[in-house]
Amino acid sequence: AQSVSQHNHHVILSEAASLELGCNYSYGGTVNLFWYVQYPGQHLQLLLKYFSGDPLVKGIKGFEAEFIKSKFSFNLRKPSVQWSDTAEYFCAVKIYNFNKFYFGSGTKLNVKP
Amino acid sequence: NAGVTQTPKFQVLKTGQSMTLQCAQDMNHNSMYWYRQDPGMGLRLIYYSASEGTTDKGEVPNGYNVSRLNKREFSLRLESAAPSQTSVYFCASSDGNTGELFFGEGSRLTVL
Repeated sequence: AQSVSQHNHHVILSEAASLELGCNYSYGGTVNLFWYVQYPGQHLQLLLKYFSGDPLVKGIKGFEAEFIKSKFSFNLRKPSVQWSDTAEYFCAVKIYNFNKFYFGSGTKLNVKP
Repeated sequence: NAGVTQTPKFQVLKTGQSMTLQCAQDMNHNSMYWYRQDPGMGLRLIYYSASEGTTDKGEVPNGYNVSRLNKREFSLRLESAAPSQTSVYFCASSDGNTGELFFGEGSRLTVL
């Protein structure tokens, strides 16, 4: 089975601090990569995705992620977090041409005002 | 624009009882999924259906059954609920073109 690792389980930041959340996956072939966000009490929503092309992808609300194929990584970044970014963030991997999505265990981000 | 709708939102069961979680999507997606979310474990795939008429096991299928009734609907059944099945269950559907998953709002199930 494929695995998706998110190294930080719980991150606490002050507003305006920079954010980087790590994500690594184990599959060696072609993948589609996603970051989803789950705000308190809500369902998961897509933050950004990478399919091909420019490895630096931009998503909603100022988030971006960089795909580094040699490191099997897809780290999420935001230069300056806001209190409203408090949520749980999930990295997900879909193997190309297959229908299964594999999720990491999630990172809870708590932004202090 | 309902998207993915799942019912019920909350349910309390006693050990051994059965129940069915219903899910429907109105986006004409071929693929549908059932996940469970537990603290510290992320989302784990229970079953999925790549297209109408097909279903496949995911990572944690034991204790569950599914039915892909038609293209819109994908139900999850617990035949004999156990406390280990206490969880939040999410239904999702997938756009074959973009690969993006669209999630329902979740069903919180407690088994006593």
